[in-house]
Amino acid sequence: QVLLVQSGAEVKMPGASVKLSCRASGYTFTSNYLHWVRQASGQGLEWMGTINPSAGTTRYAQKFQDRVTMTRDTSASAAYMEMSSLRPEDTALYYCARGSKWGYYYFDVWGKGTTVIVSS
Amino acid sequence: EIVLTQSPGTLSLSPGERATLSCRASQSVSSNYLAWYQQKPGQAPRLLIYGASSRPTGIPDRFSGSGSGTDFTLSISRLEPEDFAVYLCQQYGSSPPTFGQGTEVEVK
Repeated sequence: QVLLVQSGAEVKMPGASVKLSCRASGYTFTSNYLHWVRQASGQGLEWMGTINPSAGTTRYAQKFQDRVTMTRDTSASAAYMEMSSLRPEDTALYYCARGSKWGYYYFDVWGKGTTVIVSS
Repeated sequence: EIVLTQSPGTLSLSPGERATLSCRASQSVSSNYLAWYQQKPGQAPRLLIYGASSRPTGIPDRFSGSGSGTDFTLSISRLEPEDFAVYLCQQYGSSPPTFGQGTEVEVK
């Protein structure tokens, strides 16, 4: 069974950083890109970026280019997303999602999401 | 970036009825790279359709997708009780991939 297990909820002060994890199981971790997508309360889904677990290369949405870093640990079959300079508007549910087998940017498996609350 | 507009916002139907959901793009979606997802409260999205009309393994055939260019449709032939949910479209033909705001299919 293919699973993406995400880390627990985070509460951060404005200006802080957060690092979320996403552990994959049930498939070859390096075979599919991993993506991060967020959903603010009452808002739509927003693609943040992706990492190629095999090469470690990344691609970020322009909006997050300066604040997000995606990394991976192939020995742990895990991907990480670190966001800096957090703002209250970053309060959202953050999903990791597996990209399609052929590298297209649609998502066939999703984690349950990690809630991030940014508040003073 | 491509903006996806879904309509209607809410669709009120009874079990057994047919549902037809629309997703319109602000510009042509390259190679019809359009996906549909189902999302239930408190759950992550579930992939229903990719490539505008292809179903992943395990998705019931009452779900079908059609369309091309800027106009796409998700049809549910006969609504089952578990089909009442929010449906989202997503384009992946150009970067960044973008999502529609969703159509809620509710019990009439």
